[in-house]
Amino acid sequence: DGGITQSPKYLFRKEGQNVTLSCEQNLNHDAMYWYRQDPGQGLRLIYYSQIVNDFQKGDIAEGYSVSREKKESFPLTVTSAQKNPTAFYLCASSIRDPDREHFGDGTRLSIL
Amino acid sequence: QQQVKQSPQSLIVQKGGISIINCAYENTAFDYFPWYQQFPGKGPALLIAIRPDVSEKKEGRFTISFNKSAKQFSLHIMDSQPGDSATYFCAARRGSTAGNKLTFGGGTRVLVKP
Repeated sequence: DGGITQSPKYLFRKEGQNVTLSCEQNLNHDAMYWYRQDPGQGLRLIYYSQIVNDFQKGDIAEGYSVSREKKESFPLTVTSAQKNPTAFYLCASSIRDPDREHFGDGTRLSIL
Repeated sequence: QQQVKQSPQSLIVQKGGISIINCAYENTAFDYFPWYQQFPGKGPALLIAIRPDVSEKKEGRFTISFNKSAKQFSLHIMDSQPGDSATYFCAARRGSTAGNKLTFGGGTRVLVKP
């Protein structure tokens, strides 16, 4: 079955540590997105990529970095510069001119 | 700046009742308005969507009403069922020149009581 796989489901980070969240899709979608979800604030866009080797900052990119070396993969690194990283992170993908975004089941990041 | 405002934050409805969620937007460049349903621990899933040239769209028990002049749209869940208990998000999309990015409302947690 085609879909989006996010791993791990739960992740813990120590203060000052960088962590990388994985997102893989086998839908052959061109575009991929990372969102952060906090209670009562909906989803906020961190980064997005419309094609391989290209990505743009979303609304809350500070403290995050991404890469898009393969069409199937769009990993997100939460750096130590992100002072409030505790959140539910969602990856999504779509065709280039989308009528829908397909979401993964998220990674919940917590600070130890 | 929150470009899509969603209300209420939560609502409780009896089984068989109607759930109504409202959204308002500011940016007239939005060209597509989807609604997503999210269950705990899962990613959102597209429920129904509408484009601004249509005033209403119905799919089963779910209906979107769209008022372009008021820059408002709403989701109606008819004959609400306990399985509809979830968080619902409205969203609005800027077109391909803006990266097809979605802007989400804050979400509405719906509880359907049996």
